[in-house]
Amino acid sequence: QKEVEQDPGPLSVPEGAIVSLNCTYSNSAFQYFMWYRQYSRKGPELLMYTYSSGNKEDGRFTAQVDKSSKYISLFIRDSQPSDSATYLCAMKGDTGGFKTIFGAGTRLFVKA
Amino acid sequence: EAQVTQNPRYLITVTGKKLTVTCSQNMNHEYMSWYRQDPGLGLRQIYYSMNVEVTDKGDVPEGYKVSRKEKRNFPLILESPSPNQTSLYFCASRQSSGNTIYFGEGSWLTVV
Repeated sequence: QKEVEQDPGPLSVPEGAIVSLNCTYSNSAFQYFMWYRQYSRKGPELLMYTYSSGNKEDGRFTAQVDKSSKYISLFIRDSQPSDSATYLCAMKGDTGGFKTIFGAGTRLFVKA
Repeated sequence: EAQVTQNPRYLITVTGKKLTVTCSQNMNHEYMSWYRQDPGLGLRQIYYSMNVEVTDKGDVPEGYKVSRKEKRNFPLILESPSPNQTSLYFCASRQSSGNTIYFGEGSWLTVV
């Protein structure tokens, strides 16, 4: 079993839809939870991160962490064609040397 | 501008011909690493370096070498490339105590 599981998609939605992207994990030591966005032929860029459980909102994006279920989500409201990208979840423990583990990434297409 | 620069961006080479992919960062980060990204497998860490002259194996180190003689540079060396090393490679860096990973633009490598 992988430490981090993420459905690779692809996920195709119409413009304006609410998108839900999810990851599950098995290591209870993870404390930092991140979402990276990767456009085609580009490197991943940090989109959002949260520490421990709870929600974090940034514009149209909301990140949720449920440590009791070992489940994290990224919601995109009013999705736009420019949101079309691969979204990778990532997780890390509480010390500087602890390795970051990435999910496989979910490919999202938002159709105009 | 803060960035991670890797070269070449695109390369086709033949089996057994040694090649080096260079990586440089201008953020004075202690931690640098190399990943390969393959469909369905996500980002897998090849090697990482906690600081100058300190390197260690990641999850898929076979067939690769690295060196860290200067803080800003972390080249990836393929001594005798094979077709199974055809992949998209990313160099990345972060502060030793930080959680945000900064990625380069990627290097597409094809070994024929």
